[in-house]
Amino acid sequence: DVVMTQSPLSLPVTLGQPASISCRSSQSLVHSDGNTYLHWFQQRPGQPPRRLIYKVSNRDSGVPDRFSGSGSGTDFTLKISRVEAEDLGVYYCMQGTQWPQTFGQGTKLEIK
Amino acid sequence: EVQLVESGGGLVQPGGSLRLSCAASGFTFSTYNMNWVRQAPGRGLEWVAFITSAAATVSTVYYAESVKGRFTISRDNAKNSLYLQMNSLRADDTAVYYCATTFRSSSNFWGQGTLVTVSS
Repeated sequence: DVVMTQSPLSLPVTLGQPASISCRSSQSLVHSDGNTYLHWFQQRPGQPPRRLIYKVSNRDSGVPDRFSGSGSGTDFTLKISRVEAEDLGVYYCMQGTQWPQTFGQGTKLEIK
Repeated sequence: EVQLVESGGGLVQPGGSLRLSCAASGFTFSTYNMNWVRQAPGRGLEWVAFITSAAATVSTVYYAESVKGRFTISRDNAKNSLYLQMNSLRADDTAVYYCATTFRSSSNFWGQGTLVTVSS
């Protein structure tokens, strides 16, 4: 199975400041069809997950442009340009290139 | 409005069975590949099962190793519904179970989840 490793696991941030989460996969996530199926999800307290970014860098509809995704191969990053209070929660990366699909452990974004 | 509504969760004894349902509305359910994802209390997300859409040339299902041979994913496109038959349940199957559309496409929807508790 592809192991997804996120860092940090806890991220205290100051409102208005940037934040960055790293996600590394144990194998390349480039699919034979040429796509890289690396996605990012946000889960606010008490809520179901919500996808923010799909295929590395594509923002989902309604996602603020302060969220961005980048990376390639085995190394990926989610960035928040200026953290807002509503960004509190846990962030997960997920690979959908190989079966089984696997999630990272999650990174808890906490407001300082 | 897109909606996915899970039902069928509850308390079950170890070794027992449950059938979860996910009712879809607001989108063309039959054209979407579908997933079940679970989350144990206080833990992270775990993908459970996947099934292809009605458009697939060959219907394909995939399972996490932890549920293979015990869980069965299925769908009824006429009823806009997704199912998860869970047999031989264990304590470590205790979780909130979410249905979600395919993660590969430009749109992705999740339900609110249904809680399954396996305990004697």
